[in-house]
Amino acid sequence: GAVVSQHPSRVICKSGTSVKIECRSLDFQATTMFWYRQFPKKSLMLMATSNEGSKATYEQGVEKDKFLINHASLTLSTLTVTSAHPEDSSFYICSASDRVVRTEAFFGQGTRLTVV
Amino acid sequence: AQSVTQLDSQVPVFEEAPVELRCNYSSSVSVYLFWYVQYPNQGLQLLLKYLSGSTLVKGINGFEAEFNKSQTSFHLRKPSVHISDTAEYFCAVSDPGFGNEKLTFGTGTRLTIIP
Repeated sequence: GAVVSQHPSRVICKSGTSVKIECRSLDFQATTMFWYRQFPKKSLMLMATSNEGSKATYEQGVEKDKFLINHASLTLSTLTVTSAHPEDSSFYICSASDRVVRTEAFFGQGTRLTVV
Repeated sequence: AQSVTQLDSQVPVFEEAPVELRCNYSSSVSVYLFWYVQYPNQGLQLLLKYLSGSTLVKGINGFEAEFNKSQTSFHLRKPSVHISDTAEYFCAVSDPGFGNEKLTFGTGTRLTIIP
């Protein structure tokens, strides 16, 4: 099946710094990628839809300036958490769908962000 | 708007016993339905999906689910569980009209297998 690679798997950063998370589709092209956030013992909440070559679409309540999304190519989307604070600590997961076979989204391994 | 309800947050089951994880959805349009499994600190792995056709869907690891349109349910079943099935299970729906990859998830069910 299709593979989505997310990097890093874990990151610890200081409060006030920025962190970039990468999501790559390794063996297919993805015009659309999705970014989710998962709180402890909670479900996945969609943060934004990342569209290749255009601006991301954010869900209500998600701060655009805090969670910067860039989708510069058909295989790469990045999420940058700017000026991170401890409350941003969470598990972030991306997914991508094959632009040709659009009946399934493939998920990355997730990134555990801890802001200290 | 779509929503998904997973009625049980935790389900303990003895090894080799059968299990059913419940999922109900709400949608005003036709939907695609999915079950995903998540192991600790990992992403999601697709167990099975219903797009159309036969309402009984078979997936990986011996799991199956049945789509019931009248009851708006998509319950996940396995006839005999194994220790390795201990994980979090998420039911999800998507709207085919808006791209089937944008998923709405349930709150998850933690399946714990008791030796």
